Amino acid sequence: SQQGEEDPQALSIQEGENATMNCSYKTSINNLQWYRQNSGRGLVHLILIRSNEREKHSGRLRVTLDTSKKSSSLLITASRAADTASYFCATDANDYKLSFGAGTTVTVRA
Amino acid sequence: GAVVSQHPSRVICKSGTSVKIECRSLDFQATTMFWYRQFPKKSLMLMATSNEGSKATYEQGVEKDKFLINHASLTLSTLTVTSAHPEDSSFYICSAAGTSGRADNEQFFGPGTRLTVL
Repeated sequence: SQQGEEDPQALSIQEGENATMNCSYKTSINNLQWYRQNSGRGLVHLILIRSNEREKHSGRLRVTLDTSKKSSSLLITASRAADTASYFCATDANDYKLSFGAGTTVTVRA
Repeated sequence: GAVVSQHPSRVICKSGTSVKIECRSLDFQATTMFWYRQFPKKSLMLMATSNEGSKATYEQGVEKDKFLINHASLTLSTLTVTSAHPEDSSFYICSAAGTSGRADNEQFFGPGTRLTVL
């Protein structure tokens, strides 16, 4: 079942701007993962943050995790047109299953 | 490494026919594979979890007789949509978790299969 909720549902930004999206979840987790999906394609794993971590970076991506608030954020800095995609958070409660959020659709305008 | 393939990538079939979708882990052994369904502009919904050599575990609301899952080897799982109907049209995505001993239970996703039932 889906436990993640993401906001905003959609985001439109100018190339070069930063994009921030948030994910909230309901139960305890082992880790939280962010994925990107281009239209009609499979998922690309972006970053995984463990429950004992608070922040993680990967290139232009920055993920934070606040387990007390049961929330995470994904920041994409200096966005590019190629970043246009849907972004999903997924939580792993240590049972191998992933519960996906509803996703945020990001459009980067050239 | 950690590549997962799906075949076919796209299939169109007539109502009442059965369709088989294959999910393969190409460079690692997948002890567990997952099947998801995604409706347009929606999130992924977990349908079932399959472990090699045992019966699949289906999520609530998913008909096991409708969506047959077989995980006969450590590199192959198949999903068969039996007696397909237009409402079964969807994007089906598989993922695989391997025997690397990672503590993060990382899953690797296939590229998806677009099923259209006429």
